[in-house]
Order: sequence, then C-alpha cells, then structure tokens
Amino acid sequence: GDSVTQTEGPVTVSESESLIINCTYSATSIAYPNLFWYVRYPGEGLQLLLKVITAGQKGSSRGFEATYNKETTSFHLQKASVQESDSAVYYCALGDLPGTGSNRLTFGKGTKFSLIP
Amino acid sequence: VTLLEQNPRWRLVPRGQAVNLRCILKNSQYPWMSWYQQDLQKQLQWLFTLRSPGDKEVKSLPGADYLATRVTDTELRLQVANMSQGRTLYCTCSAPTGKGQDTQYFGPGTRLLVL
Repeated sequence: GDSVTQTEGPVTVSESESLIINCTYSATSIAYPNLFWYVRYPGEGLQLLLKVITAGQKGSSRGFEATYNKETTSFHLQKASVQESDSAVYYCALGDLPGTGSNRLTFGKGTKFSLIP
Repeated sequence: VTLLEQNPRWRLVPRGQAVNLRCILKNSQYPWMSWYQQDLQKQLQWLFTLRSPGDKEVKSLPGADYLATRVTDTELRLQVANMSQGRTLYCTCSAPTGKGQDTQYFGPGTRLLVL
C-alpha cells in the first residue's frame, strides 16, 4: 500500500532560523499522487498548509514551501525563518484518487515543531 | 469554504462503553464525507468514506471497532466501541473542497480517553 515517512519529532529550532521537515512517499495505488502538507495547531483541527498536484512543481504558503520531486519521491517542507506561531504538528500526506472527492489521504506520523525557548 | 462541525469535542469513555460521534457538513457541493482516526503518537489513518444517506460500513482495528453511518446529506456518524483501556483516540471527519475536489477539509476533531 501507499506510505509516507517524515522526520521524526520533536523538532526544535531558534526563532528566525530555518526549518526543514523531510517527507518521502511510496505510492503503489497511483503513479503521480497529489501531495499535501497539513498542520495542526494546539486545540484545532487539521488545516491545509500547501498542496502540489503536478510533479516538479513547488507549492508555497505562509512562508513555507515544498517541491514535488518524483525522482526522489520526496516532498520536503522548508521555511527560511520560523516564528513562535509556527509551533504545531506538521503532517505530510498523499492522495490516491486525484480529481475525485472520495480520494483517501495517507499520512505520515506527523512532526511536532516548537521554538527553542 | 467547506465547514465541518464535530461533537462532542472530547469525551471520557468508561471501559466497555461505546461512544457516538457526529460530523455536520455546513457547506459543500460534493457528497463525500470521511472519517479518520489517530492513536496517540501514531499515524492518522483513513477509516471510511461514505457518499449517500443510508450508507453504512464497519471496520475493526487493533484497539477499537468502528461503525460509520451516513445519516443525511449533511450528517455523518461514527460509533466507536470496544476501545482498549487507557487508550487516547482522536477522530476527525473530512469533506472535499476546492476546485477539482482534490483537497480534504477537516473538522476540529474529537478526542476520546478510555478510562
């Protein structure tokens, strides 16, 4: 089946420093899945951070960016300068049925990120 | 924007008791609604996707049994039973949104703690 592996947390970084959370995927159900990063802030539900549906493209949102690399089957999340408000759990996911509302997401285990106090 | 409400938001569940969760869809042009579950410290995983009122599905996973029901066009329910003692479970529903239906929008989730 499909699987997603991401950086095991927790990850801590100082304010204004850069953050990278690695994500690699294995898709057996579909050759070119849609790729997503979701974020969950304390006490809230999952929110879409960014998505990329075309291999080779880059997605960006709120200073975060990730590039869909089909050669390395990776979708690493990066931010150049983090802030306190970025503290959350980040989930990498792939979707198995692009273009249909019934597509199922396969998630990584999540990476908890917080600033070094 | 697709909006999903869930209740309860959290529940202490006595061992051996089942709990019923509700997910209400406020605004979507797409019919599918899904449930996902996550054990504490483990992976968020897909449980069910139901499309039409009257649809039902069951599933047993290590630590709990699940029954999902699509009650109406806007309501999805999940009954969680036979949960292992001491377990913490997070359940969230989702519905597609956006152009091409490629993105799942998630509800706020329900946290269950089994006593």
